[in-house]
Amino acid sequence: ETAVFQTPNYHVTQVGNEVSFNCKQTLGHDTMYWYKQDSKKLLKIMFSYNNKQLIVNETVPRRFSPQSSDKAHLNLRIKSVEPEDSAVYLCASSRGQDYTFGSGTRLLVI
Amino acid sequence: GEQVEQRPPHLSVREGDSAVITCTYTDPNSYYFFWYKQEPGASLQLLMKVFSSTEINEGQGFTVLLNKKDKRLSLNLTAAHPGDSAAYFCAVWTNAYKVIFGKGTHLHVLP
Repeated sequence: ETAVFQTPNYHVTQVGNEVSFNCKQTLGHDTMYWYKQDSKKLLKIMFSYNNKQLIVNETVPRRFSPQSSDKAHLNLRIKSVEPEDSAVYLCASSRGQDYTFGSGTRLLVI
Repeated sequence: GEQVEQRPPHLSVREGDSAVITCTYTDPNSYYFFWYKQEPGASLQLLMKVFSSTEINEGQGFTVLLNKKDKRLSLNLTAAHPGDSAAYFCAVWTNAYKVIFGKGTHLHVLP
């Protein structure tokens, strides 16, 4: 099956903890992304990686860091979560104009 | 940079009625446009990808219109049914690494 796979689906954690989300794509795409979708469903791009090189970093807080071992994987680490980090984090990959989104990781910070 | 405005933010229609969602964009060099559907708790599902040379695009139960002169993209659900209830997002692609999304429209189709 070719798709974008994200783990975990849900994560509940306390303020100040570190979390890490995984994303893997089996589509052979060259570019991967992390988007944040807040409670109002607003989609904001956080990072974009092309062949392990960071392309876009939309001024997200420094506690967020993308990690990529190869072009099929793009993980997201949050060093010390804050309440405002509660959101759905969507991973996506693309080749040209063809985008595919993962099912998302829903983070709740308590 | 590119700005994408999507209207309305919320829309309620009765089953069988049409529903129209519109996006306007600013960059005249935009040449790929997308409509996505997101059901509650699910990811974004691509409804249609439109290239700038195509003005009218027919899908299953919907039509996408592109007016390049006015820089307007619209999604018209011709006879909405409850299964169409979801959030809809337009997106505009201007280069290889940046897609700008509209803020979304929450559509509720009443039986």
